[in-house]
Amino acid sequence: DAGVTQSPTHLIKTRGQQVTLRCSPKSGHDTVSWYQQALGQGPQFIFQYYEEEERQRGNFPDRFSGHQFPNYSSELNVNALLLGDSALYLCASSLLRGTGASLEQYFGPGTRLTVT
Amino acid sequence: RKEVEQDPGPFNVPEGATVAFNCTYSNSASQSFFWYRQDCRKEPKLLMSVYSSGNEDGRFTAQLNRASQYISLLIRDSKLSDSATYLCVVNSMNTGFQKLVFGTGTRLLVSP
Repeated sequence: DAGVTQSPTHLIKTRGQQVTLRCSPKSGHDTVSWYQQALGQGPQFIFQYYEEEERQRGNFPDRFSGHQFPNYSSELNVNALLLGDSALYLCASSLLRGTGASLEQYFGPGTRLTVT
Repeated sequence: RKEVEQDPGPFNVPEGATVAFNCTYSNSASQSFFWYRQDCRKEPKLLMSVYSSGNEDGRFTAQLNRASQYISLLIRDSKLSDSATYLCVVNSMNTGFQKLVFGTGTRLLVSP
């Protein structure tokens, strides 16, 4: 039973650049949420995707955008990177509809982004 | 006021001790509650969902007090492997779509 996977594991970018992070949900899950975790803080909710649409969004600027594909995998895009975007980006998946639907979310190992 | 508040600790306890963490939340509309465990530089792992009647899983017991808007986690017979940060998590949505709000975490250090 494949868990949540994310790529890449580490990334170094320069201010002003753009970055794309990828996530594959746990097998059987249909919903993907993205979080940003700065050092010493709890994860902060960015947005949640279900049926290829953004369903909920946290307090993040429009520079943060996403996409969900028909196979439920997802991408997080960040434009015009700032130094403050340096963080661990976590993807979590859950099953919203159908047998076994639950509010429990399972996290991938994260992508550590450093902006210089 | 933060939406979810936790004592950051650290809580330093000897092996075998019982330790309790509390967490308060501000949104009275919150519907579901969780405890996650996070090891250093790793992803959070779901420890327990917290049900209104309270629930127990081995050495771990979670309680919810809706009237006072707090959640607790009790760990009995602490093991060295329990050393981690424990994140209190609240879902404020009353639909199927979720917006999990995390506390900053409580750090636990269990020593021999």
